[in-house]
Amino acid sequence: DIQMTQSPSSLSASVGDRVTITCRASQGISSFLAWYQQKPGKVPKLLVYDVSTLQSGVPSRFSGSGSGTDFTLTISSLQPEDVATYYCQKYDSAPPGFTFGPGTKVDMK
Amino acid sequence: QVQLQESGPGLVKASGTLSLTCTVSGDSISTYYWAWTRQSPGKGLEWIGYIYAGGSTNYNPNLKSRVTISADTSKNQFSLTLTSVTPADTAVYYCARSVPAFDIWGQGTMVTVSS
Repeated sequence: DIQMTQSPSSLSASVGDRVTITCRASQGISSFLAWYQQKPGKVPKLLVYDVSTLQSGVPSRFSGSGSGTDFTLTISSLQPEDVATYYCQKYDSAPPGFTFGPGTKVDMK
Repeated sequence: QVQLQESGPGLVKASGTLSLTCTVSGDSISTYYWAWTRQSPGKGLEWIGYIYAGGSTNYNPNLKSRVTISADTSKNQFSLTLTSVTPADTAVYYCARSVPAFDIWGQGTMVTVSS
């Protein structure tokens, strides 16, 4: 089965900082990779799908990249409203299915 | 616009069966995938499974022996059944449209399993 990991598990950054979150799959997953943002007490929100396609309405400071097994979500200039936990998810057909990564919590310094 | 709404009991006894329904408006469940995901208190997201185009299913291997996802196209609803629940199944349960990324989510419903 394909395992998804994320690093770091948490980070603190200042307003305006560039933030990078990494997601790694134990085997190649082609382009079937999404990123979600979940603010405390809220429903997860789709940010990026197919590795790098920004969901409609998502600010352009968010971007996704990567291929094969290594993927990155970048926030180019961190804003206070970006405080949240970010999850990657694979959605190819390989077992074990539409697995989420463990999450990365982003706080303000 | 497309909306999803979970419904079902908020409290289930251990060893019993958890049953939830997701009612979809603004889209037909005969298209796309329709998924269930859960989140235990303070924990991450766990994909439970999906039903595709009202028929075929795929489940998280860790839950597969206890999970059934079914659909009622006449009501535009899909449902989750989880058997032999324990307190470890206490979580917020979300339904979502999967295109296949999960672009629209329900508000989630908290289910507590009492021992």
